[in-house]
Amino acid sequence: AQKITQTQPGMFVQEKEAVTLDCTYDTSDPSYGLFWYKQPSSGEMIFLIYQGSYDQQNATEGRYSLNFQKARKSANLVISASQLGDSAMYFCAMREDNDMRFGAGTRLTVKP
Amino acid sequence: DTAVSQTPKYLVTQMGNDKSIKCEQNLGHDTMYWYKQDSKKFLKIMFSYNNKELIINETVPNRFSPKSPDKAHLNLHINSLELGDSAVYFCASSQDWGGGRDTQYFGPGTRLTVL
Repeated sequence: AQKITQTQPGMFVQEKEAVTLDCTYDTSDPSYGLFWYKQPSSGEMIFLIYQGSYDQQNATEGRYSLNFQKARKSANLVISASQLGDSAMYFCAMREDNDMRFGAGTRLTVKP
Repeated sequence: DTAVSQTPKYLVTQMGNDKSIKCEQNLGHDTMYWYKQDSKKFLKIMFSYNNKELIINETVPNRFSPKSPDKAHLNLHINSLELGDSAVYFCASSQDWGGGRDTQYFGPGTRLTVL
């Protein structure tokens, strides 16, 4: 069964605008971690942001914030003030114990 | 300094050959991983390893084997390469073993092409 779902294969956003990338997950474990990674065309995987299942507040890292809605099992990534360099694949991931699962990814294109 | 490094970056080889990909991390992490990213960009964990335990994803063929000479290294050996092994292989590391909080940091990837 799919544990991490990213329903948007591709997204477009105008430079300087905000964009939300969707992620839903499925788990019965009360303790888990949610991550977002960025993969630019150069291929490396860059860690962006982390949210723990017990964290009360939404995580923020610079222009990145994670909209964590635990009851809905969603962990959407919000990128504010998009830049051309944000164009990349974005992966949502969930970790339970030793198991790490990734979503299929969303390709974000920032238009000038 | 590169936190997680892999060599080679590109690897082109013939079917049936045996090859290795090296991974080193200088973060002082206890746990290392190997992932496979297929042509559709789907990432799948292959192995999780620290000095206590090796966890193998059951879907990984036994032609693949991780070898760890020390805590900072986890090499991936592949025997009898097949066309379907063509992919990008990522090494990653994290501070701790298990638990949801632990962030994994990835190497730059090795693009393997089997002809």
